[in-house]
Amino acid sequence: DAKTTQPNSMESNEEEPVHLPCNHSTISGTDYIHWYRQLPSQGPEYVIHGLTSNVNNRMASLAIAEDRKSSTLILHRATLRDAAVYYCILNYGGSQGNLIFGKGTKLSVKP
Amino acid sequence: KAGVTQTPRYLIKTRGQQVTLSCSPISGHRSVSWYQQTPGQGLQFLFEYFSETQRNKGNFPGRFSGRQFSNSRSEMNVSTLELGDSALYLCASSGLGRALANEQYFGPGTRLTVT
Repeated sequence: DAKTTQPNSMESNEEEPVHLPCNHSTISGTDYIHWYRQLPSQGPEYVIHGLTSNVNNRMASLAIAEDRKSSTLILHRATLRDAAVYYCILNYGGSQGNLIFGKGTKLSVKP
Repeated sequence: KAGVTQTPRYLIKTRGQQVTLSCSPISGHRSVSWYQQTPGQGLQFLFEYFSETQRNKGNFPGRFSGRQFSNSRSEMNVSTLELGDSALYLCASSGLGRALANEQYFGPGTRLTVT
């Protein structure tokens, strides 16, 4: 299975941007990059996904390196509600339902 | 649109018993995946069903099984429960099937405690 590497934890101040990195050096051409987050006591929540180009949605932006071996999830203005574990996942073909979760990055947001 | 629902939310069973958990996907979604989450192992993929067929399977023993019905509702069964099966069991549904990248929507989970 394709693997990702993320920092165990990160801290941010409220209302500041947050850049969450992810390395996936063994990514294949058909792997989509997915990001999910899990708030305390809840199931994971979809954040964003992309293949080659940078992506934006109402929750976040995804910046993908040109060689696709790394990506960065950008939260433009962190709020206390963004405190969660963020998972970067490679999904073969994009549509497979077998997401392989790593340990993720635990994001803490300070007021 | 209603989200993914899972029943029951909490369950306490004894070692050796069996248990059946239920998942109702978002209306129109045809793919249902199951995950197990424990503090030690994190989130692990169990299996995925699409149009009543198991499409992917994780690395779990045969005591873990599942099925999907024609209305896309899914059940998972764990037989001969062990203490280590205590976990949060999460169900997720997605709507686009095979063709395109798609997001999964997770339910709140069923908390299973085996004593």
